[in-house]
Amino acid sequence: AQTVTQSQPEMSVQEAETVTLSCTYDTSESDYYLFWYKQPPSRQMILVIRQEAYKQQNATENRFSVNFQKAAKSFSLKISDSQLGDAAMYFCAYIGWSAGKSTFGDGTTLTVKP
Amino acid sequence: EAGVAQSPRYKIIEKRQSVAFWCNPISGHATLYWYQQILGQGPKLLIQFQNNGVVDDSQLPKDRFSAERLKGVDSTLKIQPAKLEDSAVYLCASSLGGRNYNEQFFGPGTRLTVL
Repeated sequence: AQTVTQSQPEMSVQEAETVTLSCTYDTSESDYYLFWYKQPPSRQMILVIRQEAYKQQNATENRFSVNFQKAAKSFSLKISDSQLGDAAMYFCAYIGWSAGKSTFGDGTTLTVKP
Repeated sequence: EAGVAQSPRYKIIEKRQSVAFWCNPISGHATLYWYQQILGQGPKLLIQFQNNGVVDDSQLPKDRFSAERLKGVDSTLKIQPAKLEDSAVYLCASSLGGRNYNEQFFGPGTRLTVL
C-alpha cells in the first residue's frame, strides 16, 4: 500500500518570502503521479501543481514549483513571493498509474504573515 | 463547465440514524471518488469507481457504509447506522480517468455531524 507523509503540520511565512513544504511517499510502483492540492478554510480543494513520475524535469506553475527526487521518494513544494491568499492547508497526494488509486497526506497548514 | 456537485452541504443526525449523500461528477468524467475528511486530517479514500464498477473500496467500512454509482454518472454514499466517529466532511471528486487524465476535481463536500 502506498503512504504519503507530510512531516510539517504547520508552517508560516512572511508575505513576499519563500517557503518550502515537505512530502515523502512510499510505493512499490514505478509509474505514478504526484500532486499538491490547496484547501482554503471552508473552501473547495483545488489543484496547485502535478508531477508525472516519469518526467525528470520539475514541474512549475507561476510562483509554485516542486523538487521531485524519485530515488529519495521526496516531493516538496516551493512557494515563491508568498501572498496572503496562499494561506491554506496544503495536501500532497499520490495516484498510481495503473489503477489510479489515490492516497493523501495529512496536510500542512500554511500561515502567511503580512 | 459545471463543477462537481454535492448535496446536502450540511447534515446533522443522531447516532444510529441513517444518512445519504449525493454526488454529480463533471460530465464525461469516468472516475469518481468518495473521501472522508476528519477535521485536521487529510482525505481518506473510501471508494473509487471507474464508470459504474468499483476499483477500490478497501477502506470502506462495509458493515455500515455503502455506495453505488448507477449508470456510471451520479453516485450516492450511505451510512446506516451512523456512529459518532463518522462526523466528518465527505468529499466527492471526479476525473476523466485513464492514465493521462487523473487530475481530480473536488466538490464542496458534505459536512456531517453525528450527535
